[in-house]
Amino acid sequence: SQQGEEDPQALSIQEGENATMNCSYKTSINNLQWYRQNSGRGLVHLILIRSNEREKHSGRLRVTLDTSKKSSSLLITASRAADTASYFCATDAMNSGYSTLTFGKGTMLLVSP
Amino acid sequence: DADVTQTPRNRITKTGKRIMLECSQTKGHDRMYWYRQDPGLGLQLIYYSFDVKDINKGEISDGYSVSRQAQAKFSLSLESAIPNQTALYFCATSGSEGETQYFGPGTRLLVL
Repeated sequence: SQQGEEDPQALSIQEGENATMNCSYKTSINNLQWYRQNSGRGLVHLILIRSNEREKHSGRLRVTLDTSKKSSSLLITASRAADTASYFCATDAMNSGYSTLTFGKGTMLLVSP
Repeated sequence: DADVTQTPRNRITKTGKRIMLECSQTKGHDRMYWYRQDPGLGLQLIYYSFDVKDINKGEISDGYSVSRQAQAKFSLSLESAIPNQTALYFCATSGSEGETQYFGPGTRLLVL
């Protein structure tokens, strides 16, 4: 079962615009991570935000976390065609005594030149 | 990520055949994972191993088995492949609890 659910499922924007993706989850978490996947390739870690953090930045990426609403958002500013990819949120939570990541279904981002 | 390698990269097999997917890592990580990805379903955890002697089932382990031959090697087997196991399979590693996972390039498996 999916812990995180991304919204929207797909997003199409022009270069230079900002892209915002949202993630909702169901249970308490240790941290939430965002990953990027270029078509058919392995996932690449973008950013990790811990449960006691509210906002984090990395280059053109800004992630927020609202544990009261069990939601997170990923903002990509000044998007580029090279940002075209699928973006996944992953929640790190305890599962039968072990900490594992549970991935959402992803948001497909298309950035047109 | 070249630090995590998977073989083969592509595989076509027939229903009922036994196949093995292999994963190797040079990152020195203790933790290794196997996921499958189906279109529109994100990644689902098949098995994970926190060290050589610790192997755990994930959410979709039925029909799969694993072997942790060494810290650096984690293999996934399909004992008797079936068509609905057609998917993209990823191996990943991490160094400690809840930290970043590093993914291999994936194995595309087609079961006819």
